[in-house]
Amino acid sequence: EVQVVESGGGLVQPGRSLRLSCTGSGFTFGDHTMSWFRQAPGKGLEWVGFLRSKAYGGTTAYAASVKGRFTISRDDSESIAYLQMNSLKTEDTAVYYCSRDRVVAISNSGMDVWGQGTTVTVSS
Amino acid sequence: QSVLTQPPSVSGAPGQRVTISCTGSSSNIGANYDVHWYQQLPGTAPKLLIYANNNRPSGVPDRFSGSKSGTSASLAITGLQAEDEADYYCQSYDSSLSGYVFGTGTKVTVL
Repeated sequence: EVQVVESGGGLVQPGRSLRLSCTGSGFTFGDHTMSWFRQAPGKGLEWVGFLRSKAYGGTTAYAASVKGRFTISRDDSESIAYLQMNSLKTEDTAVYYCSRDRVVAISNSGMDVWGQGTTVTVSS
Repeated sequence: QSVLTQPPSVSGAPGQRVTISCTGSSSNIGANYDVHWYQQLPGTAPKLLIYANNNRPSGVPDRFSGSKSGTSASLAITGLQAEDEADYYCQSYDSSLSGYVFGTGTKVTVL
């Protein structure tokens, strides 16, 4: 079964750091652009950032709201993508989802595999 | 601060047809980037409904269809069913932002 599973969420104080993990299975993880999204309580979906496959240059891109604070990395040998979140703010409170782009080595092909999400709460 | 604009809600009786618009600009939909649509049932992760403007993944009923023209795209649901009650989001790429953008989301209610 093709799937991704997020982990690492929890309660964290403002200004602190947290690292989320996204573990893929059932597909060749390294071939796909992997993205992180989030959804604040009662709000819509927001793109956080993506990391393209090495075949696509391995480049990253981030939303303006997290640029300079969040970093996406990947370990294709372990089929894991990470979201390192630093200098967390209360407005980063959300469910964080990991997903893959549908087409190998292509971005913006549609995200066809989503995890169940992991909840991050930033509060003192 | 969604870049793509959708109506907050649409509704229809069972069996009816509803459409959801997604309005963008020259740096996203108008720049010929593909538009994708997602369905999000309450308390669940989004599900890819339409990819590359008008293509349905395997398993998605043909009641769902997509189209794109100029700086806008649309999702149509024909033969509306109770299980179609959900939030729907469009998504594309924006060259000015160098990243993905989502629509504001539309809640579909089956009367």
